[in-house]
Amino acid sequence: EVQLLESGGGLVQPGGSLRLSCAAGGFTFSSSAMAWFRQAPGKGLDWVSAISGNSAAIYYADSVKGRFTISRDNSKNTLYLQMNSLRAEDTAVYYCAKGVYYGGEASVFDIWGQGTMVTVSS
Amino acid sequence: DIQMTQSPSSLSASVGDRVTITCRASQGISNYLAWFQQKPGKAPKSLIYAASSLQSGVPSKFSGSGSGTDFTLTISSLQPEDFATYYCQQYNSYPLTFGGGTRVEIK
Repeated sequence: EVQLLESGGGLVQPGGSLRLSCAAGGFTFSSSAMAWFRQAPGKGLDWVSAISGNSAAIYYADSVKGRFTISRDNSKNTLYLQMNSLRAEDTAVYYCAKGVYYGGEASVFDIWGQGTMVTVSS
Repeated sequence: DIQMTQSPSSLSASVGDRVTITCRASQGISNYLAWFQQKPGKAPKSLIYAASSLQSGVPSKFSGSGSGTDFTLTISSLQPEDFATYYCQQYNSYPLTFGGGTRVEIK
């Protein structure tokens, strides 16, 4: 069974930093693209960042480019999101998701973790 | 960026009703479209990929169609467990983008 477990969320002041982790199991992690998505309270879904299995390809939403860094450690089956210069508008539930490639430029992210809440407030 | 427009934004329906949700892309995306279901407080669940292919374990009452810019999700006979918010998402190119969501409520 595929398992994705996010951690690292919490309350942080504007301008602060936080690192999210996503521990994966039940599939070949190193062969799968992974991504982070987020959902602000009461709002819709937004994509944040994606990374290929070997970390050769990395993508960011414009809203986080230059502030967030996605990375992965295939030896630990873990995905990360380093978030710096956090803003109030970054407040959201952050989900990691596993990708399956069916064609197109991107993967379909078919399995999502339960999410971790990030609150940016003074 | 490719904009995804869903309609309606919400609908009220009864158990047993047939429900159709539409999604339009601002430019052609072939069939690189996915549909997700989300219940309150839960993570999204993938229902359909490649516009019309059901994910493993998803009941056949869900179906998808379309190609290019216009797509639909149909629930053939609405059941209590289907009341949720549904999102379309294009994966033709980065940045990945979602429709605004359709909330399906009980009439």
